[in-house]
Amino acid sequence: AQSVSQHNHHVILSEAASLELGCNYSYGGTVNLFWYVQYPGQHLQLLLKYFSGDPLVKGIKGFEAEFIKSKFSFNLRKPSVQWSDTAEYFCAVNHGTSGTYKYIFGTGTRLKVLA
Amino acid sequence: NAGVTQTPKFRILKIGQSMTLQCAQDMNHNYMYWYRQDPGMGLKLIYYSVGAGITDKGEVPNGYNVSRSTTEDFPLRLELAAPSQTSVYFCASRRRGVDEQYFGPGTRLTVT
Repeated sequence: AQSVSQHNHHVILSEAASLELGCNYSYGGTVNLFWYVQYPGQHLQLLLKYFSGDPLVKGIKGFEAEFIKSKFSFNLRKPSVQWSDTAEYFCAVNHGTSGTYKYIFGTGTRLKVLA
Repeated sequence: NAGVTQTPKFRILKIGQSMTLQCAQDMNHNYMYWYRQDPGMGLKLIYYSVGAGITDKGEVPNGYNVSRSTTEDFPLRLELAAPSQTSVYFCASRRRGVDEQYFGPGTRLTVT
């Protein structure tokens, strides 16, 4: 069965530290990849997405992610986190060149940034 | 655009009661989804719809029903509430083709 793994369930960082959150998926074909963020008390918002082309994608608020096909990975990075980045982060996969109906979400990584 | 709206925001149900969670979108999106979010479990797909009159089961459909009579609305029905249905429910929508989903603010449901 297809799955998405986020191995870091909880991450605590100090402000200005660098961030990398792991995401691995188990599907061998064409994939579309997403990172969503859920700030406390808010709904999920899209951070960034990869469909094709440059495997390094940049999103909002200084986040970026790199698609490494050989490793089935789509890790999220930010060079210097801020207190306002405290949130839960979800990786999601949708596969196929035209997109399928279903998305598979990882279990999420809860990030706490200490001021 | 209001985007995706959900009502109510919070609800407490007794075991065996029924209720309908409302979801509406004003973006003319074809696809709509219902997820439940449980701590440490991520989002699980309950039901989805690819257009008015067409719905299908997701990963965890038991205990729920949906209908899609219009493009805008996608209500989720709980017929006999059980404690296992205590969760946060999110509705989402997207355009046809490859695209991101837009999420509503969620409904926090407690069944006691």
